[in-house]
Amino acid sequence: AQSVTQPDIHITVSEGASLELRCNYSYGATPYLFWYVQSPGQGLQLLLKYFSGDTLVQGIKGFEAEFKRSQSSFNLRKPSVHWSDAAEYFCAVGAWSGGYQKVTFGTGTKLQVIP
Amino acid sequence: DVKVTQSSRYLVKRTGEKVFLECVQDMDHENMFWYRQDPGLGLRLIYFSYDVKMKEKGDIPEGYSVSREKKERFSLILESASTNQTSMYLCASSSYSSGNTIYFGEGSWLTVV
Repeated sequence: AQSVTQPDIHITVSEGASLELRCNYSYGATPYLFWYVQSPGQGLQLLLKYFSGDTLVQGIKGFEAEFKRSQSSFNLRKPSVHWSDAAEYFCAVGAWSGGYQKVTFGTGTKLQVIP
Repeated sequence: DVKVTQSSRYLVKRTGEKVFLECVQDMDHENMFWYRQDPGLGLRLIYFSYDVKMKEKGDIPEGYSVSREKKERFSLILESASTNQTSMYLCASSSYSSGNTIYFGEGSWLTVV
């Protein structure tokens, strides 16, 4: 069974500073990986995903993530954070099992942006 | 764009009531999911369905059931609501043909009193 760990529950950054959110996964084969963002009271929106190929993935809103198989990690980065990036971020790992898809989410990292 | 619509955004129900949460997707996705979201616990999978009339238990199915009579509609049922089922419920759908990306509805806030 797969699992996801987001070690940081809460992160505070200054507007304009760089950001890195950590994600580690556990899965026996090559997983497919996602980052989602959730604004307060809303559903989840996909930021980016990795299935195969180039390990550096570009997403929406200026985010990128890098798949590192040796470290079982898929960290999310942004070079310059904007106040509107304040939200909760979820990493997820997906796998096919018995002919159907199962996706497991991490517990989330809440991002606060200060002026 | 894919649209996943959850019929109720906010509900308040009494302990012991039967509760129905409805979800409809408009992209002909074969997979549909119900998650529960609680602070500090992330999203936990309750049930999922990979075809009409098919269902599989997720990680926390106790106290819940589901129904999928049509491909576009997936219902979550709380047979006898309890206060520990107060939570945010998220419906989602996906398809192999759409790259396995899970698309979410906006969520249903359920309070059981």
